[in-house]
Amino acid sequence: SQQGEEDPQALSIQEGENATMNCSYKTSINNLQWYRQNSGRGLVHLILIRSNEREKHSGRLRVTLDTSKKSSSLLITASRAADTASYFCATPFLPGGYQKVTFGTGTKLQVIP
Amino acid sequence: ETGVTQTPRHLVMGMTNKKSLKCEQHLGHNAMYWYKQSAKKPLELMFVYNFKEQTENNSVPSRFSPECPNSSHLFLHLHTLQPEDSALYLCASSSRGQSLNSPLHFGNGTRLTVT
Repeated sequence: SQQGEEDPQALSIQEGENATMNCSYKTSINNLQWYRQNSGRGLVHLILIRSNEREKHSGRLRVTLDTSKKSSSLLITASRAADTASYFCATPFLPGGYQKVTFGTGTKLQVIP
Repeated sequence: ETGVTQTPRHLVMGMTNKKSLKCEQHLGHNAMYWYKQSAKKPLELMFVYNFKEQTENNSVPSRFSPECPNSSHLFLHLHTLQPEDSALYLCASSSRGQSLNSPLHFGNGTRLTVT
């Protein structure tokens, strides 16, 4: 299976602190994506990092990728209560020429005001 | 507004009922997906459609029947479901199903409860 696995399963921090979530995956990838899901809602795409990139930034988000360790991390700096959500990594692949995207169980982040 | 609209948002059905979930995307995408999200399990990919053609059926029981009449609409027809089918059903689309660099756009899901 290609799916990533997030770690930790749950994380609780104070507002203003940084939050770090990790993802490990099993096979070689073209890119890795991070998504956020607010409670009872759909997933929202946050950032895509390609296999030849090591780090990428988007606002308060910083994603790193280590293909030798098959792992990625998502750092949210200066967290806010609105960042409370579940975060998923995803690894797309192309069996038969069409994209499939698999997800892990996610990291549930709680930011305490 | 996510660009992907799912209806209904909530559905309660008995095991002998027949119902349908609807998904509509307004993004001009050519690939559409059904996912099942159960508590404490990874999202399960159920079906994939590219240009209205089914390109993936992930060993889903026949009591789930997808339909894609055009690139903008996707249905999931349900009949004789089991209580363990209770879950959040998510629809997603992507701009190019043949590309690995097309992130998914999700709807807000249908919360299904089978009694």
